[in-house]
Amino acid sequence: DTAVSQTPKYLVTQMGNDKSIKCEQNLGHDTMYWYKQDSKKFLKIMFSYNNKELIINETVPNRFSPKSPDKAHLNLHINSLELGDSAVYFCASSSTGADSYEQYFGPGTRLTVT
Amino acid sequence: AQTVTQSQPEMSVQEAETVTLSCTYDTSESDYYLFWYKQPPSRQMILVIRQEAYKQQNATENRFSVNFQKAAKSFSLKISDSQLGDAAMYFCARMNRDDKIIFGKGTRLHILP
Repeated sequence: DTAVSQTPKYLVTQMGNDKSIKCEQNLGHDTMYWYKQDSKKFLKIMFSYNNKELIINETVPNRFSPKSPDKAHLNLHINSLELGDSAVYFCASSSTGADSYEQYFGPGTRLTVT
Repeated sequence: AQTVTQSQPEMSVQEAETVTLSCTYDTSESDYYLFWYKQPPSRQMILVIRQEAYKQQNATENRFSVNFQKAAKSFSLKISDSQLGDAAMYFCARMNRDDKIIFGKGTRLHILP
């Protein structure tokens, strides 16, 4: 059983296009996240949602818009894609009721903007 | 700024030997969590070990253990009996109660046969 899944795993698109990445978790967690991993492997949080409400919004261009239709899903929509958006995007989830707060990660989506 | 620092971009260890990966962090909080994540070539992020800051006892998970020095804000990972499958990027991370996790820049670990 996949705990945190992302689709697609690979996404190649041209500058200026709009694309979405979907994330779903079946762990019953109430908090979900999006991270960006750049070419140097540096992981940085972008957004966090708790019970469908935005709780963390780092300095991210407003071309990036997360949407959480329910607690199990957190999708990332990107408008007007730029070359610098090329990266691996990870979705993660955690339970705020748990003792450890550990985050479970999806497999990542490699976005390539040409 | 609250940061997580991994001072070793790359390390190598002979198979079956022991290696220690360093991590220091900065925080003004007294209650937080620390993690080591492993990222193999498959790119999947896998939790290796976690430590609650309020616990004095160092966490251990099979061949993986940590040396948590709260006053020094140090959280190193020791891998005993290194195996080829341990080759990966290792990320140290800290999370406060505000639920924001900060990652270090990672240490690439090579296992030499």
